[in-house]
Amino acid sequence: EVQLQQSGAELGKPGTSVKLSCKVSGYNIRNTYMHWVNQRPGKGLEWIGRIDPANGNTIYAEKFKSKATLTADTSSNTAYMQLSQLKSDDTAIYFCAMWETPFAYWGQGTLVTVSS
Amino acid sequence: EIVLTQSPTTMAASPGEKVTLTCLASSSVNYMYWYQQKSSASPKLLIYYTSSLASGVPDRFSGSGSGTSYSLTISSMEAEDAAIYYCLQLTSTPLTFGSGTKLEIK
Repeated sequence: EVQLQQSGAELGKPGTSVKLSCKVSGYNIRNTYMHWVNQRPGKGLEWIGRIDPANGNTIYAEKFKSKATLTADTSSNTAYMQLSQLKSDDTAIYFCAMWETPFAYWGQGTLVTVSS
Repeated sequence: EIVLTQSPTTMAASPGEKVTLTCLASSSVNYMYWYQQKSSASPKLLIYYTSSLASGVPDRFSGSGSGTSYSLTISSMEAEDAAIYYCLQLTSTPLTFGSGTKLEIK
């Protein structure tokens, strides 16, 4: 069974960074892309970007190019996303996901709250 | 960037009623994917490759469309179908979601 286990809720101060993790079990992340999606309070889903863990290649949505940094550790089968220069607007739930049609696997989400 | 426009934004349906949600793309896409989300839980895949039913999804759900126009149909609304529905295109980056349709039960 494939499972994506995300790290716990984060409380970050404005201007600081947080690093979220997504540990995958039941599937080798070298064989897929790892995607990250956010959802601001009461809003819809927004694609942040994806990483190819096999070679570290990344693609970001334009608005997240200076906000998010995606990395992956194939030895631990874990994907990471660092969010920098936190602002109140970054308060959201962040999901990791693997889309291996016909399947789609999502983490449970990590709530990031930005507050001083 | 391909913009996906969903309609309606919100709707309510009675049990047993047929429901059709639409998703219009600003440029042609190869396929459309549909997700269901309840509260802030992880989204659940309903339809892939425009019209294929994901594993475990009731067959009252169906998808259709091509090019820039796609739809998700629920043949007979049930209370458990109350949720927000999103379309997603994987044809080109940045990948984009529609803004969602909130479906309520009457």
